[in-house]
Amino acid sequence: TQLLEQSPQFLSIQEGENLTVYCNSSSVFSSLQWYRQEPGEGPVLLVTVVTGGEVKKLKRLTFQFGDARKDSSLHITAAQPGDTGLYLCAGARDNYGQNFVFGPGTRLSVLP
Amino acid sequence: NAGVMQNPRHLVRRRGQEARLRCSPMKGHSHVYWYRQLPEEGLKFMVYLQKENIIDESGMPKERFSAEFPKEGPSILRIQQVVRGDSAAYFCASSAQPLSIRRSSEQYFGPGTRLTVT
Repeated sequence: TQLLEQSPQFLSIQEGENLTVYCNSSSVFSSLQWYRQEPGEGPVLLVTVVTGGEVKKLKRLTFQFGDARKDSSLHITAAQPGDTGLYLCAGARDNYGQNFVFGPGTRLSVLP
Repeated sequence: NAGVMQNPRHLVRRRGQEARLRCSPMKGHSHVYWYRQLPEEGLKFMVYLQKENIIDESGMPKERFSAEFPKEGPSILRIQQVVRGDSAAYFCASSAQPLSIRRSSEQYFGPGTRLTVT
């Protein structure tokens, strides 16, 4: 069974601070996605990474896929209260990515 | 351009009753995915359907759970004889094409149905 672990489970920081959250597995994934989910809503896709070692930037968010495609990180620079939410990583089980294995998420709270 | 719609948003059922969860995909999307989310856990894939066909139901419990996506109308996730352990948030997602890293397609999630079994 392919499992994804995310750390930390909870993170509370002040506005303006930087942070990194991690997504790790003992299995190789063909691709990995990051989502943000707000209370009472469904997840919203942030990014998809496909190539080992790939780095993608989305404004203040930087995503990295590990060289071995077993892990990923999300770095947020100068966090804002609007970044508050549950950050989920999801790994595609096969090359067709028809279904994904989701990690348990990191719950981020950015305090003003 | 409406997104994925799910109803009801909240559903309360007593043990032994049936629960029917509906999902209307985004306009033009013919691929639907159902997920279950328990508190403090990630989403668990349940089933993938394309119009009138079940493509992958590897995440569906063998008993009491069924899903359909008829030619006309929304996709339905049906849970018979609900038990307390079925209490969870159920999310539906849709995509225009089968999810594939080769096609840069993505799935869009609905707001979910929160099922509470008393």
